[in-house]
Amino acid sequence: DAKTTQPPSMDCAEGRAANLPCNHSTISGNEYVYWYRQIHSQGPQYIIHGLKNNETNEMASLIITEDRKSSTLILPHATLRDTAVYYCIVRVNSGGSQGNLIFGKGTKLSVKP
Amino acid sequence: ETGVTQTPRHLVMGMTNKKSLKCEQHLGHNAMYWYKQSAKKPLELMFVYSLEERVENNSVPSRFSPECPNSSHLFLHLHTLQPEDSALYLCASSQDRTPNTEAFFGQGTRLTVV
Repeated sequence: DAKTTQPPSMDCAEGRAANLPCNHSTISGNEYVYWYRQIHSQGPQYIIHGLKNNETNEMASLIITEDRKSSTLILPHATLRDTAVYYCIVRVNSGGSQGNLIFGKGTKLSVKP
Repeated sequence: ETGVTQTPRHLVMGMTNKKSLKCEQHLGHNAMYWYKQSAKKPLELMFVYSLEERVENNSVPSRFSPECPNSSHLFLHLHTLQPEDSALYLCASSQDRTPNTEAFFGQGTRLTVV
């Protein structure tokens, strides 16, 4: 399975953009990058996912490098409610574990007033 | 609201009790998952069901017994648990197991074993 590496924690000022990096240097060509977040003691919330192209939705933007070895999740205007643990996941695309979401430790994002 | 509902939200049980956790989705999804999240640890995938068949069991002790009677419901039957089994148990569902379909999680059941 491809592994991801994320910083354990980050701070962001309220109203500013939050840029959360993720390294996935062993990703395979057909594996998707997913981002979820988990606010304390709640179920993880789906944010966005992508394969090669950059993606944007109402919550965030996902920027994937051309070599696909890293990506950045961008929250354009962070609010206090965006304080959460953010997980970058490479979703398995073959074998018996196809489709499984394997979570790491994520990045604890703290948005400060 | 993700469309995945878990009950109960909180459960306290003794080590000799038998209880069941329930997960329900009416999203038309065909894959369902159980995860365990112990304090300050990442989510651990426990079981995977696809079209009501168990396709993965990640070395979970037999005191945890999943059941998927139909594509909308998933249960986790618990018996003779240990205090270290206290955790947040999360259910998720996805359209299928292809990697381009997002999975949605319920709010979890907070289990305390005394």
